[in-house]
Amino acid sequence: SQKIEQNSEALNIQEGKTATLTCNYTNYSPAYLQWYRQDPGRGPVFLLLIRENEKEKRKERLKVTFDTTLKQSLFHITASQPADSATYLCALREYGNKLVFGAGTILRVKS
Amino acid sequence: DSGVTQTPKHLITATGQRVTLRCSPRSGDLSVYWYQQSLDQGLQFLIQYYNGEERAKGNILERFSAQQFPDLHSELNLSSLELGDSALYFCASSAGSGKNEAFFGQGTRLTVV
Repeated sequence: SQKIEQNSEALNIQEGKTATLTCNYTNYSPAYLQWYRQDPGRGPVFLLLIRENEKEKRKERLKVTFDTTLKQSLFHITASQPADSATYLCALREYGNKLVFGAGTILRVKS
Repeated sequence: DSGVTQTPKHLITATGQRVTLRCSPRSGDLSVYWYQQSLDQGLQFLIQYYNGEERAKGNILERFSAQQFPDLHSELNLSSLELGDSALYFCASSAGSGKNEAFFGQGTRLTVV
């Protein structure tokens, strides 16, 4: 079945820097990949969707890349702020439309 | 506000009991998904319904069942509860069954004592 790997260790960065989070996957060739943000005790919130024919997608300070050869997506937050501190999840659809999530990477932005 | 409503927000019950969690999807969304998230764990996919029919199934325990009703709301039934079933249960909805992003409710926190 599909396996999704995200950095298990928290990422600590200084305010104003760019945060880069990684999502690697195996055993599948997804047509698209999604990124979500989750705050403690809250439901995940959709951020961005990138399709296999899109190398890069941007939304305000967010940028996502999708390399289907490497089976990897990178999620960047530029000019990071303490309010960006959260857990970031990547998600893929398995065959049969099951939407599966990685375990997430905790981002901590310090002022 | 995602537009997805889950009730109740909190539930405390004893081992061996049965509970029902309810989810109302966003207006117009046909797909409903259920996820379990234990403390410090990732989101575990349980089951998906599309327009009343089961569409995909994860590692859902036999003690758990779900359904989606004609008005598209969904219920997740958990029976013979064990301490290990304590978790956040999320419902999400999407417009279609395939490519669309999912919108999550605020979750039901279940505590089994």
